[in-house]
Amino acid sequence: QIQLVQSGPELKKPGESVKISCKASGYTFTNYGMYWVKQAPGQGLQYMGWINTETGKPTYADDFKGRFVFFLETSASTAYLQINNLKNEDMATYFCAREADPWGQGTLVTVSS
Amino acid sequence: DVVLTQTPPTLSATIGQSVSISCRSSQSLLHSNGNTYLHWLLQRPGQSPQLLIYLVSRLESGVPNRFSGSGSGTDFTLKISGVEAEDLGVYYCVQGTHAPYTFGAGTKLELK
Repeated sequence: QIQLVQSGPELKKPGESVKISCKASGYTFTNYGMYWVKQAPGQGLQYMGWINTETGKPTYADDFKGRFVFFLETSASTAYLQINNLKNEDMATYFCAREADPWGQGTLVTVSS
Repeated sequence: DVVLTQTPPTLSATIGQSVSISCRSSQSLLHSNGNTYLHWLLQRPGQSPQLLIYLVSRLESGVPNRFSGSGSGTDFTLKISGVEAEDLGVYYCVQGTHAPYTFGAGTKLELK
């Protein structure tokens, strides 16, 4: 079946980097864009942007320009989100989604000194 | 950016009750290609969101037909005809007509 499986929870210090993976299976990876969504603790969903899996071109929402990087390993049907220079406000669960459906299970990133 | 306003923020229902959630957009969601990219998601406690309704009124495969969506332009509604216990969680509308995509703030469905 079609599914997205994300990497496990991360505990990082402020200023460090984190890389989250999202492995797709059950469909042709390059036929659908991959979207990234942030959910801060107890909060709603925030669109971060998406990556064109055919061309590798990322598009970032305004709040996620600069420290956030989307990239692919197409041969492995895997999308990545890297967050550089982590800040306390980056502490959240991050989801990948194949357009509107399905969604990955989410990756919790905890930022604490 | 398009603002989606969901009401009510919280909904208390009994099992079997029918309920509706409103999602109003700050601008028309009718795309130049004729589609309206307004979708509804459910996030159950501790789970990732799942798609219920896409393109306003199309039921995602496997979703019970007690869920229905309607609307056009800037006003949209999700209806649950006979709430079941498994329907509890937070409902979000999301638009994909205008970049960047945006989500409503969510409506939490609780048992009364």
